[in-house]
Amino acid sequence: KAGVTQTPRYLIKTRGQQVTLSCSPISGHRSVSWYQQTPGQGLQFLFEYFSETQRNKGNFPGRFSGRQFSNSRSEMNVSTLELGDSALYLCASSPGLAGPNEQFFGPGTRLTVL
Amino acid sequence: AQSVSQHNHHVILSEAASLELGCNYSYGGTVNLFWYVQYPGQHLQLLLKYFSGDPLVKGIKGFEAEFIKSKFSFNLRKPSVQWSDTAEYFCAFRDNYGQNFVFGPGTRLSVLP
Repeated sequence: KAGVTQTPRYLIKTRGQQVTLSCSPISGHRSVSWYQQTPGQGLQFLFEYFSETQRNKGNFPGRFSGRQFSNSRSEMNVSTLELGDSALYLCASSPGLAGPNEQFFGPGTRLTVL
Repeated sequence: AQSVSQHNHHVILSEAASLELGCNYSYGGTVNLFWYVQYPGQHLQLLLKYFSGDPLVKGIKGFEAEFIKSKFSFNLRKPSVQWSDTAEYFCAFRDNYGQNFVFGPGTRLSVLP
């Protein structure tokens, strides 16, 4: 089975721009979660989608949004980029929404905001 | 609020030393517990998980963890570390009701050859 894929792998943007990141989960997985990883803050949960519906949301401003398509692929969007948005954005997929279902992580998209 | 704490920010060991990384979670209900590892430049990957049964679980690469419900703890252990264990280790939990995964801040392990 192919793993979780994320595109693009690297991205450089300037302040004020917007960006869209894409995630393809493992085939058959219906849950997709997004995380922001920075050296100082660790893994910060952004949101989780299941069957095209946002099921959980972390503590991020409204500039961060996402969606999930019928094939479980997901995108996240960050508008009006700030320098502090520079981070590794990780996508994780899981077969289900709760319980012992582990998450499988992608390689991440490294976003640099100049 | 649900949270996970990891006792050490950075642990430095010599090869062959024993390892124990602490993890405590804050949640009163039934939990599913996980340890993930992130090797330099690689994806986060699952080391082991616990959801029921024997509280001592074994994972990949000789790692094990013990769930102690009364202490809300899920400490990771390895009897003899290798240089290749150098990585960042994350403890996480999830309930059975659809709440999101909660990750700890991570512990960086450096193993000196």
